[in-house]
Amino acid sequence: EVQLAESGGGSVQTGGSLRLSCVASGFTISSYWMHWVRQAPGEGLLWVSRISIDGRDTSYADSVRGRFIISRDIAKNTLYLQMNSLRVDDTAVYYCARGRGKAADPQDQWGQGTLVTVSS
Amino acid sequence: DIQMTQSPSTLSASVGDRVTITCRASQGISSWLAWYQQKPGKAPKFLIYKASILESGVPSRFSGSGSGTEFTLTISSLQPDDFATYSCQQYSSFPTFGQGTKLEIK
Repeated sequence: EVQLAESGGGSVQTGGSLRLSCVASGFTISSYWMHWVRQAPGEGLLWVSRISIDGRDTSYADSVRGRFIISRDIAKNTLYLQMNSLRVDDTAVYYCARGRGKAADPQDQWGQGTLVTVSS
Repeated sequence: DIQMTQSPSTLSASVGDRVTITCRASQGISSWLAWYQQKPGKAPKFLIYKASILESGVPSRFSGSGSGTEFTLTISSLQPDDFATYSCQQYSSFPTFGQGTKLEIK
């Protein structure tokens, strides 16, 4: 069974850092594009970042570029999101998700999410 | 960025009703559109891709159509489990989502 389990969320002050983890089971992350998507309280979904199958290609939403870094550890089958210079508007539930196929394909499997709260 | 606009924002319906949700793209996206279902406190569930192809395991009462800039999600006969929020996503370029349509019980 495919599963994704995020962790690492919590409360932090503006300017702080957090690292989110997403442990995958039931599949190998090195065979899929992997994504982070977030959802602010009461808001819609916002794509944050993705990493390619070979790990060489990463992309970011404009709102997080230069502050967030996506990475992975193949041996641990784990996806990461390093979040620096956090802002109040980064407050959201962060989901990791598996890409269905190609770079731009939709996400077919999602974790349960981890809540990040940034306060001033 | 390609903007996605859904209508209505909220839809009240009864079990057995046929409902349609519309999603409009700010520019043409061919058929690169997906639909997701989300229940409170839960992760999104992938329903449809390429505008009209049902993901495996999704009930056939769900259907999608459209191309270019206008798309629809139709549920032919609402079941109790279908009351949720539905979001469209374009993946013609970096993914963007609609704001969601909350389907509630009338």
